[in-house]
Amino acid sequence: DGGITQSPKYLFRKEGQNVTLSCEQNLNHDAMYWYRQDPGQGLRLIYYSQIVNDFQKGDIAEGYSVSREKKESFPLTVTSAQKNPTAFYLCASSGAGVTLYEQYFGPGTRLTVT
Amino acid sequence: GEDVEQSLFLSVREGDSSVINCTYTDSSSTYLYWYKQEPGAGLQLLTYIFSNMDMKQDQRLTVLLNKKDKHLSLRIADTQTGDSAIYFCAERPGTYKYIFGTGTRLKVLA
Repeated sequence: DGGITQSPKYLFRKEGQNVTLSCEQNLNHDAMYWYRQDPGQGLRLIYYSQIVNDFQKGDIAEGYSVSREKKESFPLTVTSAQKNPTAFYLCASSGAGVTLYEQYFGPGTRLTVT
Repeated sequence: GEDVEQSLFLSVREGDSSVINCTYTDSSSTYLYWYKQEPGAGLQLLTYIFSNMDMKQDQRLTVLLNKKDKHLSLRIADTQTGDSAIYFCAERPGTYKYIFGTGTRLKVLA
């Protein structure tokens, strides 16, 4: 089954700790994205990556970091510098050719920092 | 600036049609999208329309695009309780840039 997996579904951390959210896709998509969703708001882009070993900041990159060492994987680290990290984090990917215009999402990770 | 606006809530009776509306701002957006989000889940791509089209139909879903007014709508025919969810409109003003609305919560009454 092709798709995007995110783990874990729920994550709890103490303030001051870094935490890494996993995102894996087997759709053979080139581009991957991380969004943050807060209650009653739309999605805000944190980072995106067009190809392996390349990534770009989105609208709210401060306090976050990413890597793209493999096409299938795009982990997001929420650092202690992120002032308000509690949110629902969504990973997405988009392909090439006929699927270039289609962006698909993973099931999300809900991060709670106390 | 870039903004996608949607009404917050819509309530319909089972079997009726639902119409969810959206306005966007970037006339350069080549594709416009509708996504569905159920509680605690990711976004599911429902359908999308290319900006040179004014209508697209896909089973119970009909998308209407008025490019002049930058208005997009999603009609769900014969709405079912399983259609209860949040629906997001999105525009794509750049290859890797998507702008999402705040979502419309659809409640289907039995």
